Amino acid sequence: AQTVTQSQPEMSVQEAETVTLSCTYDTSESDYYLFWYKQPPSRQMILVIRQEAYKQQNATENRFSVNFQKAAKSFSLKISDSQLGDAAMYFCALRGSQGNLIFGKGTKLSVKP
Amino acid sequence: DVKVTQSSRYLVKRTGEKVFLECVQDMDHENMFWYRQDPGLGLRLIYFSYDVKMKEKGDIPEGYSVSREKKERFSLILESASTNQTSMYLCASSRSWRRDTEAFFGQGTRLTVV
Repeated sequence: AQTVTQSQPEMSVQEAETVTLSCTYDTSESDYYLFWYKQPPSRQMILVIRQEAYKQQNATENRFSVNFQKAAKSFSLKISDSQLGDAAMYFCALRGSQGNLIFGKGTKLSVKP
Repeated sequence: DVKVTQSSRYLVKRTGEKVFLECVQDMDHENMFWYRQDPGLGLRLIYFSYDVKMKEKGDIPEGYSVSREKKERFSLILESASTNQTSMYLCASSRSWRRDTEAFFGQGTRLTVV
């Protein structure tokens, strides 16, 4: 079975600071994709970043980057220069050969001005 | 831009009612999904469909059924609503079954069963 674990139910960061959200996963497959989704109070899920398991280089999208450790099955999200608009629920997700997305339980991020 | 539209943002139904949640996507996507979101539990897959008239059970299909008569529309049906089905329901679609394809989500339907 494939699982995704987010061990931090809530996190807080000061505006302009950096925060890292943790995610670990388990899968027996070698080819898969990992995603981070953001869900702001509007409830609209938005893709933040994706990472292919075969790529060793960590994905980066502007202020968002990941630390992908395949052997450790770890996929953390780093948000640099945090902004008030980054406040949201963040979900880590795994997509394997079955095609459906398997989500973690989410981390609620608060940004303090 | 891809648009996934759920028919209602908020819905209140009575126990025992038959409830229909509708989802429409406008990008000719092959795959469509229904998730249930509860605090502390994340998103759990109820059903998914990879083609018209095709459906597969997800992790928590009990008490639900689905219908996909047209490619763009995927309906979630609660045959006899119960209070433990009070939740947020999210519909999603993706272009294909490939692992790298992004899933696009609707804005969710918050269903309350009283």
